[in-house]
Amino acid sequence: DSGVTQTPKHLITATGQRVTLRCSPRSGDLSVYWYQQSLDQGLQFLIQYYNGEERAKGNILERFSAQQFPDLHSELNLSSLELGDSALYFCASSVTSAWETQYFGPGTRLLVL
Amino acid sequence: QKEVEQDPGPLSVPEGAIVSLNCTYSNSAFQYFMWYRQYSRKGPELLMYTYSSGNKEDGRFTAQVDKSSKYISLFIRDSQPSDSATYLCATQGGTSGSRLTFGEGTQLTVNP
Repeated sequence: DSGVTQTPKHLITATGQRVTLRCSPRSGDLSVYWYQQSLDQGLQFLIQYYNGEERAKGNILERFSAQQFPDLHSELNLSSLELGDSALYFCASSVTSAWETQYFGPGTRLLVL
Repeated sequence: QKEVEQDPGPLSVPEGAIVSLNCTYSNSAFQYFMWYRQYSRKGPELLMYTYSSGNKEDGRFTAQVDKSSKYISLFIRDSQPSDSATYLCATQGGTSGSRLTFGEGTQLTVNP
């Protein structure tokens, strides 16, 4: 158990809908990273937050947004969902925003029908 | 061209074999190198974290980095059926900041 929690574990929804994925980092970790894992793209970085502020962006679609709250948990919002958004979404956390170990949560499996 | 290339396999070996997993990367600014293990689409679990060229050993696992050739390897000695998983190499550093850049992952099966 990495200490990173993610909810829900599974999510099934329809095209055009909006969903929110939630992540709680390890105790003491200030950075939260979101990654997407699909069969054709592998594990790809989406976005990073550090202590409530956006720190870095990767290949995140404009339909996707995230935020980190004062208690350091983070939410990833996916809207106008398309079939191609079906993937595993992982959250990872680390102590700071520096180059260091990231610990991954169990992921949320999203299926868009 | 992907920044981190990894042969996806699948790789199948008998129990007790030495396993060699490899990745190449293109960005010479990468400074930190990791190996993660992932069981059945569960969360990636960190196995090894290394900085700079050289070897790092942890039990049956040895991570090797050659920055001159941009080549990273993971060796598993005395492989066990419980080692069956997907192994992901990852890099970090340079202008990419602290984000991780992953290889495609190699699916390994260790047969009893």
